[in-house]
Amino acid sequence: DQQVKQNSPSLSVQEGRISILNCDYTNSMFDYFLWYKKYPAEGPTFLISISSIKDKNEDGRFTVFLNKSAKHLSLHIVPSQPGDSAVYFCAARVDEGAQKLVFGQGTRLTINP
Amino acid sequence: DTGVSQNPRHKITKRGQNVTFRCDPISEHNRLYWYRQTLGQGPEFLTYFQNEAQLEKSRLLSDRFSAERPKGSFSTLEIQRTEQGDSAMYLCASTPGMGSPLHFGNGTRLTVT
Repeated sequence: DQQVKQNSPSLSVQEGRISILNCDYTNSMFDYFLWYKKYPAEGPTFLISISSIKDKNEDGRFTVFLNKSAKHLSLHIVPSQPGDSAVYFCAARVDEGAQKLVFGQGTRLTINP
Repeated sequence: DTGVSQNPRHKITKRGQNVTFRCDPISEHNRLYWYRQTLGQGPEFLTYFQNEAQLEKSRLLSDRFSAERPKGSFSTLEIQRTEQGDSAMYLCASTPGMGSPLHFGNGTRLTVT
């Protein structure tokens, strides 16, 4: 049962344009959502998060949008840079106390010069 | 901040052998997590510790798996009688507590032949 889904395995975007990565979830009890970025041979690195009581959170070039009614969140990167090329994982927090995360399958983002 | 350290980075073993991985969390992080990532999937929760106490184990963690954190600092994950299906990246993460994102190590890649 895949509770967090990233339906696009890969995405290719031109440098300077906007990258939009999408994530859908099924469990309405998730209270917190995070995006992690992963380079090859490294562990995932925290990027940005959003509480379920908000619909937008912005940090520099990165903005996360949450649509609770649609159980959908998205990560916008603008402008996209070559260093943004990585695998991006969407994650949802199951339990505030335990801080267990459920991850999506990941989307490989490639920024083309 | 030296980050979360995992050793070894790679481990190749024959089916039926036992293996042990080590994780050194960021100092003063009292929570430590183990996740497993297989090809094309996101990380999956295995277990977590609050100081030396193991508070939760996923049903993914069969009785061949055991994790310890004897002094509330480093942790070990042992897999007994390895099977080919155990081949994966084993990720360790730590956090100082609630409200803080998980910091992941670079993982130990296990290959069972």
